[in-house]
Amino acid sequence: EAGVVQSPRYKIIEKKQPVAFWCNPISGHNTLYWYLQNLGQGPELLIRYENEEAVDDSQLPKDRFSAERLKGVDSTLKIQPAELGDSAVYLCASSLGGANTEAFFGQGTRLTVV
Amino acid sequence: GQNIDQPTEMTATEGAIVQINCTYQTSGFNGLFWYQQHAGEAPTFLSYNVLDGLEEKGRFSSFLSRSKGYSYLLLKELQMKDSASYLCAVRSTGGFKTIFGAGTRLFVKA
Repeated sequence: EAGVVQSPRYKIIEKKQPVAFWCNPISGHNTLYWYLQNLGQGPELLIRYENEEAVDDSQLPKDRFSAERLKGVDSTLKIQPAELGDSAVYLCASSLGGANTEAFFGQGTRLTVV
Repeated sequence: GQNIDQPTEMTATEGAIVQINCTYQTSGFNGLFWYQQHAGEAPTFLSYNVLDGLEEKGRFSSFLSRSKGYSYLLLKELQMKDSASYLCAVRSTGGFKTIFGAGTRLFVKA
């Protein structure tokens, strides 16, 4: 069974440019997460979806970040415009949902803003 | 709010046993996870505790004390491939929000 698939794996952009990340969760997983991970830190939640509904986006910087999960499957995360401080690894994860279900993570997209 | 503390780094010898501690504060506890993350790779699930006590899974065991806000991950018969970061994550009630600690980088030496 395929795991969580993310693309691209790496992205280098100039500041003020837009960038988008794509995630395909594990089939049947209703819950989808986008996390940001800085070097030497744990993942920080940006947004969580239950099917197509964003149920927790309190940590998403809405002035420049946006996300969508149309049809409750694939998801995209966009940054516009990107800033130098956005350089990080963006991880997508999915789970079946419920209290004791673990999250399965994708390989992440390493973003470098120059 | 939530707060999770783990040691930043640990070093242990191949074949030995190591214990990685995690203390947490949360307004509503709904489970604790341990994940392993090798450098440049995605975190992978190791264990889940929601009740007090020890959960054993092969070479890895995880312990939880809810009253003390404390957990540990125990790794036995250490192998070089166990060199990785170990992330403690706490799920809160009311929305299943999961917060990760900064992780403990474990170095296993020969």
